[in-house]
Amino acid sequence: DTEVTQTPKHLVMGMTNKKSLKCEQHMGHRAMYWYKQKAKKPPELMFVYSYEKLSINESVPSRFSPECPNSSLLNLHLHALQPEDSALYLCASSQAREGEQYFGPGTRLTVT
Amino acid sequence: QKEVEQNSGPLSVPEGAIASLNCTYSDRGSQSFFWYRQYSGKSPELIMSIYSNGDKEDGRFTAQLNKASQYVSLLIRDSQPSDSATYLCAVTPYFGNEKLTFGTGTRLTIIP
Repeated sequence: DTEVTQTPKHLVMGMTNKKSLKCEQHMGHRAMYWYKQKAKKPPELMFVYSYEKLSINESVPSRFSPECPNSSLLNLHLHALQPEDSALYLCASSQAREGEQYFGPGTRLTVT
Repeated sequence: QKEVEQNSGPLSVPEGAIASLNCTYSDRGSQSFFWYRQYSGKSPELIMSIYSNGDKEDGRFTAQLNKASQYVSLLIRDSQPSDSATYLCAVTPYFGNEKLTFGTGTRLTIIP
């Protein structure tokens, strides 16, 4: 089973709202990732957690705040977003750092 | 120079023919190579991984890696309309590195 789940599937939020995206995997993977994907572009790495510790932050603005409560869960807290942050947000996980990454279905975020 | 390069297409192939997708990478030390398929509005789906020189076959898909030429390809035999999608080549620079670098993707259309 290579399933990564994400909630919600769609999210519309105003620029003053606070919301969270959730990601879950039960494959025992030790690395989890957040990506942002704009239309007709490849996924763009935002954060990597390895063994529940933040190992990579790709200079993401502080209005995005990741959290890894345990080895199966990954959250992305959103606050004071801009319309240009509208995108598909993807979570992924992998068994090993350089290994195969499996993506969740994504959350389609619209900032109004 | 882009780290991972793909022809953006669109690439049109008749149904039943072989589709050939190509990818070059700039970091000679790269170790892990992946092909993802992404349907419009959906998340990337891992279809092939390859780590050593040569060919790797899985059903109708064959991945080919040539590290000396810094070249990785994906062949799709007996192409079906359901193969119409964007194909993303992805590379990790070295073992122990979690960062997956994507090419811009090749849009493939299978013509019935």
